Amino acid sequence: GQQLNQSPQSMFIQEGEDVSMNCTSSSIFNTWLWYKQDPGEGPVLLIALYKAGELTSNGRLTAQFGITRKDSFLNISASIPSDVGIYFCAGPTNRDDKIIFGKGTRLHILP
Amino acid sequence: ETGVTQTPRHLVMGMTNKKSLKCEQHLGHNAMYWYKQSAKKPLELMFVYSLEERVENNSVPSRFSPECPNSSHLFLHLHTLQPEDSALYLCASSQDSWGGYGYTFGSGTRLTVV
Repeated sequence: GQQLNQSPQSMFIQEGEDVSMNCTSSSIFNTWLWYKQDPGEGPVLLIALYKAGELTSNGRLTAQFGITRKDSFLNISASIPSDVGIYFCAGPTNRDDKIIFGKGTRLHILP
Repeated sequence: ETGVTQTPRHLVMGMTNKKSLKCEQHLGHNAMYWYKQSAKKPLELMFVYSLEERVENNSVPSRFSPECPNSSHLFLHLHTLQPEDSALYLCASSQDSWGGYGYTFGSGTRLTVV
C-alpha cells in the first residue's frame, strides 16, 4: 500500500534557527497535509496543499507540494520554543481517500 | 478547544477488564474515526464511520468494538486487552469521508493495559 516516509526522524536545533523537513512517497498523492502534535495532545492541521508546485504559508510555516506529486516539504523560520512537537505529513490514499500518516519528525529546541 | 472531546484522558485497565472510550464532536461533521498511535509507528486507522454507518474496519482484533449511536458520538469498547494494546487512542472527525480537507482530532486517551 501507499506509504509516507518522513525525514529526518528527529531534529535538535537552537531557538531562532530555520527548520526544513520533508515527506516522500513512491506513489503519487493528490493532496498533502501537514499536522503538528504537541505532547499529550492530538495532531492539529497546519497546512493543506492541493496542487503540484503549490507553496502555502501559515505564519512562520511554509509548505510546498512537490512537482512530481511524490513529495512535500515543510519549513519553519525563526523557530521558537512552542514549535517543539512532532510534525506529520499525511494524505488521502488513492484507494479509498482515507488519510495515512508518516511516522513524523520530532523537533527539539535546545535551550 | 479542538471541537472533538475524548474521555477519559488516561485509562489503566487490567487484561480482564471491560472499559469504553468516548468521543464527542459538535462540528456538524458526518464522518468519525478511531486511530491508534504507538511509539515509533505511524498513526494506524482502526475504524471509520460515515453517517453513523461503519465503512471500514482495518482488520482490528475483535477485542476492540466500536459503536456510533449518532453522528456526534463515537465509542470504542474494550475487553480482554493485551499489554501491546497500550497506546494513545485518537478520535477524529471530518466533514465527509474524503480525507483531503483533513481531520479534526481529539486530545486522545492514553491507555495502559497491565
